[in-house]
Amino acid sequence: DIQLTQSPSTLPASLGERVTISCRASQSISNSLNWYQQKPDGTVKRLIYSTSTLESGVPSRFSGSGSGTDYSLSISSLESEDFAMYYCLQYATYPWTFGGGTKLELK
Amino acid sequence: EVQLVESGEGLVQPGSSMKLSCVASGFTFSNYGMNWIRQAPKKGLEWIALIYYDSSSKYYADSVKGRFTISRDNSKNTLYLEMNSLRSEDTAMYYCAKGGGNPFDYWGQGVMVTVSS
Repeated sequence: DIQLTQSPSTLPASLGERVTISCRASQSISNSLNWYQQKPDGTVKRLIYSTSTLESGVPSRFSGSGSGTDYSLSISSLESEDFAMYYCLQYATYPWTFGGGTKLELK
Repeated sequence: EVQLVESGEGLVQPGSSMKLSCVASGFTFSNYGMNWIRQAPKKGLEWIALIYYDSSSKYYADSVKGRFTISRDNSKNTLYLEMNSLRSEDTAMYYCAKGGGNPFDYWGQGVMVTVSS
């Protein structure tokens, strides 16, 4: 199975700050990588698909990049609604696997 | 508007069975693969099953293979998860999510399954 290692697991940050979350795969996943946001009420939303394509309606402050085994999600200027859990997902190979998650919290 | 509404939540004893449903609307259900994903309390997300749009293929995580069965009824726009031989470690919020080729573009609100004696 492909393991996804997300870092950091917790990310304290301030409003307006730029942050980056990393997701490293145990083998190449050929850009088959999505990013999801989960709010405290459990609601899950896809932000980015295929490494770097922004989901319709998602603010442009979110961006994704990467290749091979290394991927990242960046938020250019944090707003209050961005404080949530973030997960990466690889769908290159079954079983599809998620990273362990990053909790973005207010510093 | 795409909507996925799960039902069937509850408390069951270890070793028992349970069936979850997910009713879809707002898109042509029969054109898309569908999935079940779960999240144990205070834990991360775990994909557990995928069914192709026409039920021709099904895939499972090792943690549920042989115990859980994913199915669908395209005439009813409904996805199912039959869960047998339930264990305490199956306690989780269960989500249905749309998408096969590029997965999980829409998620339901989730239903809680608790396995406890």
